[in-house]
Amino acid sequence: DSGVTQTPKHLITATGQRVTLRCSPRSGDLSVYWYQQSLDQGLQFLIQYYNGEERAKGNILERFSAQQFPDLHSELNLSSLELGDSALYFCASSAGTAALVNSPLHFGNGTRLTVT
Amino acid sequence: GESVGLHLPTLSVQEGDNSIINCAYSNSASDYFIWYKQESGKGPQFIIDIRSNMDKRQGQRVTVLLNKTVKHLSLQIAATQPGDSAVYFCAEGYSTLTFGKGTMLLVSP
Repeated sequence: DSGVTQTPKHLITATGQRVTLRCSPRSGDLSVYWYQQSLDQGLQFLIQYYNGEERAKGNILERFSAQQFPDLHSELNLSSLELGDSALYFCASSAGTAALVNSPLHFGNGTRLTVT
Repeated sequence: GESVGLHLPTLSVQEGDNSIINCAYSNSASDYFIWYKQESGKGPQFIIDIRSNMDKRQGQRVTVLLNKTVKHLSLQIAATQPGDSAVYFCAEGYSTLTFGKGTMLLVSP
């Protein structure tokens, strides 16, 4: 068990809808990362937060947004959903504090999103 | 259009063999490297990491080798067991952690 909790485990929704994925990091970790894993793109970095502030942005669509709350849990919001957004969404946390990655990311078991 | 599945390279070994999984990384500025194991239905699980000032690091049954000259990383698993069957990802770290495409390891008894 990595200590990172993601809810829900599965989500099925229709095109055009909006969903929120939730992540609780490991106790003490200040950094939270979101990744998307699809069959044809592998693991793609979306966005990173550190202690409530956005730190790095990857290939995140404008329809997607995230935030990290004062209790350090994070939410990823996906709106105007399209069929191609169907994927596994992983959250990871890290104890690292430096601007550069220098310690392991610990991943949750993901949310499987299916858009129909 | 129809999406094409990610065709992962596959390494098939017999139980008890040593396995070597290779990875090429792209960013010469990366100074931190990690191997992850991902089993079906689970998130990537940390195996071992190495910093760019080292060329070898050993863990329990696993060894990571780093060749910065050719930007190559390898994971060696000793005495491979059926429970090692999974997809293995290398990742390079700089401002973020960038993952490779993965290799599927199949271990037959």
